Amino acid sequence: DAGITQSPRYKITETGRQVTLMCHQTWSHSYMFWYRQDLGHGLRLIYYSAAADITDKGEVPDGYVVSRSKTENFPLTLESATRSQTSVYFCASRRGSGETQYFGPGTRLLVL
Amino acid sequence: AQSVTQLGSHVSVSEGALVLLRCNYSSSVPPYLFWYVQYPNQGLQLLLKYTTGATLVKGINGFEAEFKKSETSFHLTKPSAHMSDAAEYFCAVSEDFGNEKLTFGTGTRLTIIP
Repeated sequence: DAGITQSPRYKITETGRQVTLMCHQTWSHSYMFWYRQDLGHGLRLIYYSAAADITDKGEVPDGYVVSRSKTENFPLTLESATRSQTSVYFCASRRGSGETQYFGPGTRLLVL
Repeated sequence: AQSVTQLGSHVSVSEGALVLLRCNYSSSVPPYLFWYVQYPNQGLQLLLKYTTGATLVKGINGFEAEFKKSETSFHLTKPSAHMSDAAEYFCAVSEDFGNEKLTFGTGTRLTIIP
């Protein structure tokens, strides 16, 4: 099915471990985004990408790494997970400015 | 810098009553404005958006919003609430011309009272 998918949907890990969250979209959208959602904070932008091999920091990038070697994929890596990174992570994509931004179903991450 | 303020983190209305969710924004240039809805354990879904043109925007599920530049507001309304409207609603802003980032408000949880 076409659309935007995230994997895994649920993940439990331990402090200090490396975790990679995957995001895949089938629309060939130029822009892709990673957000985290926490109570009282709404959605906060972690990183975004305007095209393959172009990435930029958002509001809360510390502790995260992204890459975008292919237009359709935008993985997010937590290099050394901390409890404060327990959150729900959403990937999104958009064709261009002012266009509708589509969200994936989210990944619930628990860091013990 | 752009920002969004949603007044009221929780709003309760009776079934059949008017729904009004408030959103005020700050932007240094003409904004693009969006309302998204999130049902439990799901991602966000676009309700409606304003880019240019008519300031009253109609969206899905009977919702509409009006862009008021003088008040820097983009409030979301629905004349008659339905039980299925219970969800969390997010207002978002992006600035035109080069700023591709959406800034979200902290959300308003809408509860419908039977």
